[in-house]
Amino acid sequence: QITLKESGPTLVKPTQTLTLTCSFSGFSLSSSGVYVGWIRQPPGKALEWLALIYWNDDKRYSPSLKSRLTITKDTSKNQVVLIMTNMDPVDTATYYCAHSGPVYCSGGSCQMYYFDYWGQGTLVTVSS
Amino acid sequence: QSVLTQPPSVSGAPGQKVTISCTGSSSNIGAGYDVHWYQQLPGSAPKLLIYGNSIRPSGVPDRFSGSKSGTSASLAITGLQGEDEADYYCQSYDSSLGGSWVFGGGTKLTVL
Repeated sequence: QITLKESGPTLVKPTQTLTLTCSFSGFSLSSSGVYVGWIRQPPGKALEWLALIYWNDDKRYSPSLKSRLTITKDTSKNQVVLIMTNMDPVDTATYYCAHSGPVYCSGGSCQMYYFDYWGQGTLVTVSS
Repeated sequence: QSVLTQPPSVSGAPGQKVTISCTGSSSNIGAGYDVHWYQQLPGSAPKLLIYGNSIRPSGVPDRFSGSKSGTSASLAITGLQGEDEADYYCQSYDSSLGGSWVFGGGTKLTVL
């Protein structure tokens, strides 16, 4: 049974750095093909993908936020950490971490660009 | 502004069928990357509803179905039930700018 849970501060001040931790169980981030991603959702708005990290430590970032994001993993602790610098009120959102869906093959191609399990999310408010 | 375009809202009466569209471009859906759908009930985290354009995870009722054609995809819900009232998001992969996981702007389904 795969579970993920986000943790971190609920309130940060503008210009501060946000550090969020995703603690997970039910899978290993050292297994080939697995990745964990971060997605956020401002109140009343749409989902926005932020970053993800693969089992082999390969990392991907949203082009629009790349300069402010760092993602790391601690396989021994079953944790993934997201760091976002220079926080602004527009970064107020619920932040989710999610597990990569298994690879599937159809129509001659195999893909795994989706998330099958999500954490409950953690609301981060940016305000002075 | 989301990379994938969805209608902001749709509605239908119980028992009816509704369809939610998701329009992309040549760097995502049109490039052959599949579309996935998530259901987000009020106050809850998103839940995977459809992956690989049309594959339902275990436990998802067959009232939900997905399809893809060209640069667009659709989610169909038949036999609408009150519990289907939620936000629905499409998601795909975009190969531009180094590769990104992209979402639609979401569609609010209201069951009348």
